[in-house]
Amino acid sequence: EIVMMQSPATLSVSPGERATLSCRASQSVSSNLAWYQQKPGQAPRLLIYGASTRATGIPARFSGSGSGTEFTLTISSLQSEDFAVYYCQQYNNWPPYTFGQGTKLEIK
Amino acid sequence: EVQLVESGGVVVQPGGSLRLSCAASGFTFDDYTMHWVRQAPGKGLEWVSLISWDGDTTYYADSVKGRFTISRDNSKNSLYLQMNSLRTEDTALYYCAKDMSSKGYCSGGDWGQGTLVTVSS
Repeated sequence: EIVMMQSPATLSVSPGERATLSCRASQSVSSNLAWYQQKPGQAPRLLIYGASTRATGIPARFSGSGSGTEFTLTISSLQSEDFAVYYCQQYNNWPPYTFGQGTKLEIK
Repeated sequence: EVQLVESGGVVVQPGGSLRLSCAASGFTFDDYTMHWVRQAPGKGLEWVSLISWDGDTTYYADSVKGRFTISRDNSKNSLYLQMNSLRTEDTALYYCAKDMSSKGYCSGGDWGQGTLVTVSS
């Protein structure tokens, strides 16, 4: 089973600043990596798939990069609605599909 | 617009059984693999199971293998999860999710709002 590790667990950033979230896989997942955003009381929302492709309707301030075992989600200028929990998920070697433990992005 | 509406979540005793349903609309249901993903209270996401677009292929997480059965009825645009021998650790919000890729096995592109299963005596 591939283990996904996200860092940091909590990230405090001011609105308007850049946020950088990291995800590491225990072995290569090629580019088969997705990022999700989850707000309290809501279902996860797909942000990025294929490591770097934005899902439909996702603002351009969200960008993904990386391949193999190291991945990054960058939010270029944080808006109030971006404060949430973010999960990465690999879909290269399955079953099982595996998620990271999440990074909570909070307002500084 | 894709809509996924889960139902069937209740409070059940350990060892009990439950069947979850997910009603799908807004897309060609029989073109997509469907997933169940769960989230224990205050915890992260855990993939549970998938079923291929034609129902011929199913996979399960080890934590539920042999106890849960995923199925679908393409004539009714519906997905199901039969849950037997329930344990307290199965307590979670259960989401159904539509794969992002037509006739593929990728990741959940659209998600329902979830149905809560509580296993408690």
